[in-house]
Amino acid sequence: EAQVTQNPRYLITVTGKKLTVTCSQNMNHEYMSWYRQDPGLGLRQIYYSMNVEVTDKGDVPEGYKVSRKEKRNFPLILESPSPNQTSLYFCASRYKGQGGYEQYFGPGTRLTVT
Amino acid sequence: RKEVEQDPGPFNVPEGATVAFNCTYSNSASQSFFWYRQDCRKEPKLLMSVYSSGNEDGRFTAQLNRASQYISLLIRDSKLSDSATYLCVAPGSFNKFYFGSGTKLNVKP
Repeated sequence: EAQVTQNPRYLITVTGKKLTVTCSQNMNHEYMSWYRQDPGLGLRQIYYSMNVEVTDKGDVPEGYKVSRKEKRNFPLILESPSPNQTSLYFCASRYKGQGGYEQYFGPGTRLTVT
Repeated sequence: RKEVEQDPGPFNVPEGATVAFNCTYSNSASQSFFWYRQDCRKEPKLLMSVYSSGNEDGRFTAQLNRASQYISLLIRDSKLSDSATYLCVAPGSFNKFYFGSGTKLNVKP
């Protein structure tokens, strides 16, 4: 089954404690992306990757890091989480070509930073 | 100005009604657009893509107006199961994507 998986699905942590949210896709997609969703603000792109070892900032990259060492995986790293990073996070993947290629989303990770 | 703007609603309509949402975008170079459906904080799922003037899929019609830089989504014969939040998506420069904040639809019996 074609899918994007994220782990963990729910996480409560404290300010400053480093965490990683994993994302994996089995569709051989080149393009992967991380979004955060906050009430009234919609989904905002954090980072994206066009292929292995190629990553770029989205609109809200501050406080986040990513890596793309393998095509299927795109982890999101919060080195020192703060309460303003409490949010619902989605990973997504798609083919990288121009045009109307669908983005497939993971089930989301609900993060609370206290 | 936001890259993509939508009326947040909610739109409260009876079953069987026709309802339309609009979405405006700022990047005139954008070529393809998307409508996604999102249920209750679950992951967004693609509803329709819009490349040229429009696209129709059953009860759903999406239209693109490049001159005025907006896309619309028309839902005919609304069902209870159509209740959801509808997200408009436009590509930006440098392979970014911009989502609207979503329009909430409530279909009532």
